[in-house]
Amino acid sequence: QSVLTQPPSASGTPGQRVIISCSGSSSNIGSNTVNWYQHLPGTAPKLLIYNNNQGPSGVPDRFSGSKSGTSASLAISGLQPEDEADYYCAAWDDSLNGFYVFGTGTKVTV
Amino acid sequence: QVQLQESGPGLVKPAETLSLTCTVSGGSIINYYWSWIRQPPGKGLEWIGYLYYTGITNSNPSLKSRVTISADTSKNQFSLKLNSVTAADTAVYYCATDSRDGYIDALDIWGQGTMVTVSS
Repeated sequence: QSVLTQPPSASGTPGQRVIISCSGSSSNIGSNTVNWYQHLPGTAPKLLIYNNNQGPSGVPDRFSGSKSGTSASLAISGLQPEDEADYYCAAWDDSLNGFYVFGTGTKVTV
Repeated sequence: QVQLQESGPGLVKPAETLSLTCTVSGGSIINYYWSWIRQPPGKGLEWIGYLYYTGITNSNPSLKSRVTISADTSKNQFSLKLNSVTAADTAVYYCATDSRDGYIDALDIWGQGTMVTVSS
C-alpha cells in the first residue's frame, strides 16, 4: 500500500497541459525531495524529474515538477501522443528506518 | 555509460527462494547505490531495497524479513534473494541505480526487467 497518492488517470488532447498530483505526508514529501518516472508498457521506467524540479539531460523541458509542503505535481505542457504512459512520483519516507516509496501511479491518455 | 542486465529463473515454485542477479557493465559497482524494484502484473512500481557496494543494505519494511541483497565486486554484480515466495511475488523485477556518486534515489539507469512467475 503506497503512502503517496496519485489520481488513477489523466487525459488531454495534443498540445494541452496536463498536471498530475502526488499527495504524501510529513515523513516523505514533506521532508525529502520528489522524483518522477515515466513508464511505458514493456519498457524500463525512465527518470523524468529529480530533486523536485530538475530534469535529467535529454528529458524535454515540456516536463516540469514542483513541490509544496506535503504535495508535489508533474506538469506536461504541449502534450504529445508519445506522452501516453504511466507516471509515478517517488520519495524517501523517513519512517520505519527509511524506505523509498513510489506513488500509486497515473495513467495519462492522449 | 553504465548498463544493467537482470538474469535469473523465470519460474519459481511457491515457498522457494527467488534469486536474481544484476550485472553492471560500462562502469564499476564501487561507489554507487544499487536498487531492486518490481512491478506485479496490473499494479504499480514497488521498491524492494538497495545495496551500497560496501554491503550496507536497506529494504522495504513490507519485505524486509524475506529480502537479502548482496554484491560481488569481483564480478561487478549484485543480487536479490527473496525467500518463501508466493503468487503475490509474481512480477517484473528491475535493477536500477542513481548514477550520481553517493546518491540513492534518482534512479536514472535501469535494467530491461525480467519477469518472474511464482507457480507450481
